[in-house]
Amino acid sequence: AQSVTQLDSQVPVFEEAPVELRCNYSSSVSVYLFWYVQYPNQGLQLLLKYLSGSTLVKGINGFEAEFNKSQTSFHLRKPSVHISDTAEYFCAVSSPVDTGRRALTFGSGTRLQVQP
Amino acid sequence: NAGVTQTPKFRILKIGQSMTLQCAQDMNHNYMYWYRQDPGMGLKLIYYSVGAGITDKGEVPNGYNVSRSTTEDFPLRLELAAPSQTSVYFCASSESGKSYEQYFGPGTRLTVT
Repeated sequence: AQSVTQLDSQVPVFEEAPVELRCNYSSSVSVYLFWYVQYPNQGLQLLLKYLSGSTLVKGINGFEAEFNKSQTSFHLRKPSVHISDTAEYFCAVSSPVDTGRRALTFGSGTRLQVQP
Repeated sequence: NAGVTQTPKFRILKIGQSMTLQCAQDMNHNYMYWYRQDPGMGLKLIYYSVGAGITDKGEVPNGYNVSRSTTEDFPLRLELAAPSQTSVYFCASSESGKSYEQYFGPGTRLTVT
């Protein structure tokens, strides 16, 4: 079974400051990793994904994440946030060996609150 | 492409009533999913489908049913609504390739009182 832990339920940050949202996963098999963003009253939108290859993954809106297999982490970073980045961020895991369901297991989410 | 669409956006049910949440996708994806999102809990998988005519249970299937008669549509049925089913419901779809990326609809906010 797989699980995802997002250690911070809320992260307040000032505009133009850097931010890191933490994600740790647990899995006994190889993983695919995802970050999704949910703006208020909307569905989830993919920010970035790691399937294989380079461990540094760049996504939309200036976000990036680094896959660290030894620490089982996939932290999301942005060097300078904007008010418009205020949203809920979800880390999710799947596995290439799960050829049946291909389902995502989600963390509980981190609410990023960007203040002026 | 409209992507993944869901109706209704909001609904209030009384205990014991039934309803169907509609989900449709126009991307010809084989995989479709229903999740529920409770505050502070992330998303939990209710049911999924790997193609027309094939469905299976996820983590929290009790109180729900699904069908998949076409590739495009994947409705979720609540037979006897209970307050514990108050939640936001998301439908998602995914292609059969290597990506595993899921595309989400805008959600249905359901309140059972």
